[in-house]
Amino acid sequence: NAGVMQNPRHLVRRRGQEARLRCSPMKGHSHVYWYRQLPEEGLKFMVYLQKENIIDESGMPKERFSAEFPKEGPSILRIQQVVRGDSAAYFCASSPTSAQSYEQYFGPGTRLTVT
Amino acid sequence: AQTVTQSQPEMSVQEAETVTLSCTYDTSESDYYLFWYKQPPSRQMILVIRQEAYKQQNATENRFSVNFQKAAKSFSLKISDSQLGDAAMYFCAYRPSGGGADGLTFGKGTHLIIQP
Repeated sequence: NAGVMQNPRHLVRRRGQEARLRCSPMKGHSHVYWYRQLPEEGLKFMVYLQKENIIDESGMPKERFSAEFPKEGPSILRIQQVVRGDSAAYFCASSPTSAQSYEQYFGPGTRLTVT
Repeated sequence: AQTVTQSQPEMSVQEAETVTLSCTYDTSESDYYLFWYKQPPSRQMILVIRQEAYKQQNATENRFSVNFQKAAKSFSLKISDSQLGDAAMYFCAYRPSGGGADGLTFGKGTHLIIQP
């Protein structure tokens, strides 16, 4: 049973370019969460999605960031016009249900470097 | 808003000894869940242990146990018989049990060093 998959593992972008980060949840999981980890910090919640719906985006920056989880295919976190401050590790997690007792299973993360 | 505080940026322990990592949190909720995650150098987040706030009994997973003090809003992790493979960053996390915000709130982490 494959775990949460994220790709790419490392992504380098120049300032002003777009970054697309992909997340495939565990088999049978329909809930996806994105987190950002800045250097020397804990993970910060960004957005929670179910298939074709954004449930909670309270942690998403208001501009340049968007997320989707289509009916088919992986969840995508998209960052437009990247800036150096976007350099971080981005983690995706999934869970099988919104029942609060279920823990979230994390992917290996994508490390974004903006040059 | 909920906050999670880990006051020990770094802890060091001798192999085979016991170490306790501290975590406090602030919430106005009465029902919630608490977690400890381990992040080794590979950066993979691994769930170590979880605690439901409505349960008075402290959770235990093999060498890992917690001391959950609900009134004090404290949730410390005890690692017994420390092993070299326990070396990692450890993050305490909180999640309310009600509807609404489903994201985890993390502390800043404690870097655990195991001395051989």
